Amino acid sequence: DAGITQSPRHKVTETGTPVTLRCHQTENHRYMYWYRQDPGHGLRLIHYSYGVKDTDKGEVSDGYSVSRSKTEDFLLTLESATSSQTSVYFCAISESRGETNTEAFFGQGTRLTVV
Amino acid sequence: AQKITQTQPGMFVQEKEAVTLDCTYDTSDPSYGLFWYKQPSSGEMIFLIYQGSYDQQNATEGRYSLNFQKARKSANLVISASQLGDSAMYFCAMREGNVDKIIFGKGTRLHILP
Repeated sequence: DAGITQSPRHKVTETGTPVTLRCHQTENHRYMYWYRQDPGHGLRLIHYSYGVKDTDKGEVSDGYSVSRSKTEDFLLTLESATSSQTSVYFCAISESRGETNTEAFFGQGTRLTVV
Repeated sequence: AQKITQTQPGMFVQEKEAVTLDCTYDTSDPSYGLFWYKQPSSGEMIFLIYQGSYDQQNATEGRYSLNFQKARKSANLVISASQLGDSAMYFCAMREGNVDKIIFGKGTRLHILP
């Protein structure tokens, strides 16, 4: 199994509070991704990173920020959590771009509830 | 614009029958990769199969095969001889050659009936 760990695994927080989710990998993969999964929407890309300090927005980036100061860590921050951000968050890693066989490996997910 | 479309929100199939899960995609990039993932009720994402845009043959992995019709921009997953353990959510995904993103469809929930 790919070495990818998400923390925390579960979190309940109050509306308006900041929240940071951590993704840690031991595979030295270049690409890291944050997705959220909601019923009826599948997995939607929030932000991704293609290297240290190199990040870009995904499909649903509003209300989220990310940082990657080291290859192994990719942080997702909700600056001021809202109930619409209640979701399951997945981190994924991948080695390289392009059409070569470079599937994404996923963490176990973080269930975030904003009350 | 949605780039990955899975038109079957849910499917019920009798055990031991073959199953086809539909996926269509949209891209203007000649270089891309297509993936299928399985998500059982436990929640983890399991990679099943990959197809590259330049691959001449359909990908196969055990009971899984990918029916790749490039002109139709279709990449259907075929599961032969379905088993109860195949009950899960299935996601189709695409990675374009000139970008770094991997985009997923909304998924199909498959129920295998005994």
